Amino acid sequence: AQSVTQLDSHVSVSEGTPVLLRCNYSSSYSPSLFWYVQHPNKGLQLLLKYTSAATLVKGINGFEAEFKKSETSFHLTKPSAHMSDAAEYFCVVSDRNTDKLIFGTGTRLQVFP
Amino acid sequence: DAGVIQSPRHEVTEMGQEVTLRCKPISGHDYLFWYRQTMMRGLELLIYFNNNVPIDDSGMPEDRFSAKMPNASFSTLKIQPSEPRDSAVYFCASSLGVGGNYGYTFGSGTRLTVV
Repeated sequence: AQSVTQLDSHVSVSEGTPVLLRCNYSSSYSPSLFWYVQHPNKGLQLLLKYTSAATLVKGINGFEAEFKKSETSFHLTKPSAHMSDAAEYFCVVSDRNTDKLIFGTGTRLQVFP
Repeated sequence: DAGVIQSPRHEVTEMGQEVTLRCKPISGHDYLFWYRQTMMRGLELLIYFNNNVPIDDSGMPEDRFSAKMPNASFSTLKIQPSEPRDSAVYFCASSLGVGGNYGYTFGSGTRLTVV
């Protein structure tokens, strides 16, 4: 079965510093992976997705993620945090057997001025 | 496109009452999903439809929950009777397809409080 593990429940950074949100996946085959963002009192928004094309995936708002098979990781990064990046971020894997999305437990990103 | 539209945004109801949540998917999206989000359990898929037909309702917690999609532009999730443990944020999402090649578009959710 596929699963994702988000290694940090909370991450705090200063505005202008890099962001790293960590995600490891478990899958017996090449997975489809996503990052979603949820701002307070909002729905989830797709940031980016990996579907076995380029291993470095660029998303919206300056975010990107790199698929590393050797490390079973799909970490989300951004070179410089902005106050508006403060939100909850979810790493997601698509279950190939059921086509269902399996969500991680989320990482809450705080950005300090 | 206005995106996925859910109503109401907030609902407070008394235990035992019937609650109906509504969703309008993005036009042209053949798939519609209902999710529930709680602190304890995170995001759970309750049910999804393809072309208005329920495909998988294995996530529906019990018979008190029911969902319908009478046409391509409208779906409801009903809880009858409601219980305090049903308090959660309920999201509707729509998509062109399922699986790894498709991202889902989520609505802003309905925050349900059952007292």
